[in-house]
Amino acid sequence: DSGVTQTPKHLITATGQRVTLRCSPRSGDLSVYWYQQSLDQGLQFLIQYYNGEERAKGNILERFSAQQFPDLHSELNLSSLELGDSALYFCASSVGPRGLTYTGELFFGEGSRLTVL
Amino acid sequence: GQQLNQSPQSMFIQEGEDVSMNCTSSSIFNTWLWYKQDPGEGPVLLIALYKAGELTSNGRLTAQFGITRKDSFLNISASIPSDVGIYFCAGPTGGGNKLTFGTGTQLKVEL
Repeated sequence: DSGVTQTPKHLITATGQRVTLRCSPRSGDLSVYWYQQSLDQGLQFLIQYYNGEERAKGNILERFSAQQFPDLHSELNLSSLELGDSALYFCASSVGPRGLTYTGELFFGEGSRLTVL
Repeated sequence: GQQLNQSPQSMFIQEGEDVSMNCTSSSIFNTWLWYKQDPGEGPVLLIALYKAGELTSNGRLTAQFGITRKDSFLNISASIPSDVGIYFCAGPTGGGNKLTFGTGTQLKVEL
């Protein structure tokens, strides 16, 4: 158990719909990362937050948005869903992006599997 | 963006065999990480390397940080069925604010 909690574990929805994925980081971790994993794309970095502020952005579509709340949990919102958005979405956390405690180690949740029909 | 290429893409080995895989980049990395993803799970860190030439072991796993800082290697000795999964190399990019993952090596073990 990594200590990172993601909900829901599975989600089936239709094209055009909107979903929200939720992540609770490990206790004490200030950074949250979102990754997308589809069959042919590997693990693709989407976005990172540190203590409520966006710190880095990857290949995140404009239809997707995220935020990190004061209690440090994060939500990833996916809207106008398309078939190609079907994937595993992982949240990961770490103590912080830089500094003496930064080792590059991320702790991953079990993922949310999104199926768009 | 930076890309990490892993080889082989997949491998089928017999239980008890040793396994080698590698990861290469067109850019220099100051840290190399190796993760394993079990089926249905999120990736878990196996080994972290912080210095060029470094050789680090974790049980039956040994990883090396290439001298050029553009590659890394992972060896698994005497493979067992629970070694099945996808192995990813990864390195910090974007000023250290994100982790870029390799393309993955899928390991399947025959009993």
